[in-house]
Amino acid sequence: AQKITQTQPGMFVQEKEAVTLDCTYDTSDPSYGLFWYKQPSSGEMIFLIYQGSYDQQNATEGRYSLNFQKARKSANLVISASQLGDSAMYFCAMRDDRGSTLGRLYFGRGTQLTVWP
Amino acid sequence: SQTIHQWPATLVQPVGSPLSLECTVEGTSNPNLYWYRQAAGRGLQLLFYSVGIGQISSEVPQNLSASRPQDRQFILSSKKLLLSDSGFYLCAWRPLAFSSYNEQFFGPGTRLTVL
Repeated sequence: AQKITQTQPGMFVQEKEAVTLDCTYDTSDPSYGLFWYKQPSSGEMIFLIYQGSYDQQNATEGRYSLNFQKARKSANLVISASQLGDSAMYFCAMRDDRGSTLGRLYFGRGTQLTVWP
Repeated sequence: SQTIHQWPATLVQPVGSPLSLECTVEGTSNPNLYWYRQAAGRGLQLLFYSVGIGQISSEVPQNLSASRPQDRQFILSSKKLLLSDSGFYLCAWRPLAFSSYNEQFFGPGTRLTVL
């Protein structure tokens, strides 16, 4: 069974500071993909960043970076220079790459990030 | 460019009433399609997925069903809603397998309240 764990129900960070959102995963498959999505109060799911299991370097997208530690099975999201608009729920997800065309995602329970001025 | 639509945006239904939520994708062909449900304060739970017209797979037993009558149309239905069906329903699509795209793209969602 595949599993995503986000141990931080809520996180608080001051504007312009960096914050790390934790995510650990459990899989026995050598090929998988890891994602982070942002869900503001409007409910839409916004894709932020992707890391493939065979990628040698940590993924980065603007202020977002993924701290990928394969041996520890962790894929933490780092947001640098937080902005008030970053306040939202953040979900870590893992894609199943096992011999199928499904591409299904397994989601964690999410971390509610609040950025304060 | 690709776009995904869902309607209605919000819905309030009495227990025991039927349900029909629609999802359509534009700008792509033969996508994989997914229905997720998000209960309040929870992560997303995969309900159904489809790799082609008429091909539906269910992840969890429930009183919901899904259909894919056209390549880019995915419908979530119920004959009789339960209180536990309340939640935020998200449709997502993914391009053909083995493409260079990796992420799933989500629609705007439907917020369903069953009273």
